[in-house]
Amino acid sequence: EAQVTQNPRYLITVTGKKLTVTCSQNMNHEYMSWYRQDPGLGLRQIYYSMNVEVTDKGDVPEGYKVSRKEKRNFPLILESPSPNQTSLYFCASSLDKSTYNEQFFGPGTRLTVL
Amino acid sequence: EDQVTQSPEALRLQEGESSSLNCSYTVSGLRGLFWYRQDPGKGPEFLFTLYSAGEEKEKERLKATLTKKESFLHITAPKPEDSATYLCAVQEIYGGSQGNLIFGKGTKLSVKP
Repeated sequence: EAQVTQNPRYLITVTGKKLTVTCSQNMNHEYMSWYRQDPGLGLRQIYYSMNVEVTDKGDVPEGYKVSRKEKRNFPLILESPSPNQTSLYFCASSLDKSTYNEQFFGPGTRLTVL
Repeated sequence: EDQVTQSPEALRLQEGESSSLNCSYTVSGLRGLFWYRQDPGKGPEFLFTLYSAGEEKEKERLKATLTKKESFLHITAPKPEDSATYLCAVQEIYGGSQGNLIFGKGTKLSVKP
C-alpha cells in the first residue's frame, strides 16, 4: 500500500529537549515536504527536499532542521523546541516538484511543547 | 496579504442542499490549483488538480471549476459523509514560493442529515 508514515503520532515534550519526527514514504518519490498546521493560519511549509541531499527552506523554517540522506526518509529535527512550535505537523511526498497530482500526506504528528 | 483566500470559513448545509465553496488567488502565474479534503485529525487527501481557466473536474458529488482569478468547488446534493475541511492550494510559476504549494485556510463543511 502506497503511504507516508510519520512517527510519533503524538508527542509532549519540554522546552529545549531535542526531538526528531520521522517521515518515510514507500513510493520512490523524489519530492518531500514538511508542513505545520495551526488554527487560523492553515498549512505552512517548513522545509522541502527535491531529492537526496537537496533540501531548501519553505515559508517558516526557523527553529527546524531537516536531512535527506535516503530517498524514502525525511526527518524533521527540532534541536531546541519552544512552545511556539506546538502544532500539528504533516509530511508529504510527490513524484517530483512539477507534478502535484498525487501528493500524499502522512497522518500527522501532534506536538506539544511545554 | 494572503495569496490564497477561501470562503466561507465555515458552511453548514442540510443533506441534499447544494452549494459552492470559493477559492480566490493572487499569484503572478498559475501552474496549478489543487483541492484537498481533510478529515479531523488526518492528513489532507488529494481531490483535484486544475491547470487552466475553463477547466472542470468531477468526482462523485464534487465538481471543481477554474477561472483566471478563482476556483469553485461545487457540492451537489451533499451527504453527511461529505463533512470535512476543504483546502485549496496554488502552485505559481514565478515568485518567491519557488513553485511550492501555497494553501488557503480552508472551508469547514458540515452536512446535517
